[in-house]
Amino acid sequence: EVQLVESGGGLVQPGGSLRLSCAASGFTVSNNYMTWVRQAPGKGLEWVSVIHSGGSTYYADSVKGRFTISRDNSKNTVYLQMNTLRAEDTAAYYCARFPGGGEWGQGTLVTVSS
Amino acid sequence: QAVVTQEPSLTVSPGGTVTLTCGSSTGAVTSGHFPYWFQQKPGQAPRTLIYDTTNKHSWTPARFSGSLLGGKAALTLSGAQPEDEAEYYCLLSYSGARPVFGGGTKLTVL
Repeated sequence: EVQLVESGGGLVQPGGSLRLSCAASGFTVSNNYMTWVRQAPGKGLEWVSVIHSGGSTYYADSVKGRFTISRDNSKNTVYLQMNTLRAEDTAAYYCARFPGGGEWGQGTLVTVSS
Repeated sequence: QAVVTQEPSLTVSPGGTVTLTCGSSTGAVTSGHFPYWFQQKPGQAPRTLIYDTTNKHSWTPARFSGSLLGGKAALTLSGAQPEDEAEYYCLLSYSGARPVFGGGTKLTVL
């Protein structure tokens, strides 16, 4: 069974950092495209970043230069390192296996506030 | 960045049929935009229903189908059930640019 479990969210001050994790089971992360999507409270979905099976990475303009997506093949886990956080980064962050798969994790909440 | 447009809200009667659409500010939506459709119920994570315009996952109910219609991507629900009441989002991919979500359609089954 495919499962994605996010962790690492929490309350952080503006300008701070957090690292989100997405632990995968039932498939191999390095053979798939893995995407991060976020959703601000009461708002729609926003595409954030993707890491391709070949290792290429892409970012939304809103997070480029501040966020870094990576993966640890030995742990079958994808990460989202978030630096210089802003109030507008407050959102539920989801990892998902797409393009190619379709499964989503349950999300982890990030709150940026002083 | 392109803007992806969806109907803000739609209502369908139980057992009825409804079509949600997904348009692009750059012009006609084609299969080259690899349209995705997601369903999200309150308090839950999104769920992928349709990928690459028409393809379903194993968990996608048969009453959902994807297509291209009048220059837009479309999600058709035939035989609506109360449990289909949810927010529906489309996602379009753009060559050389980042994928963009639509603003979502709130579907009411009433």
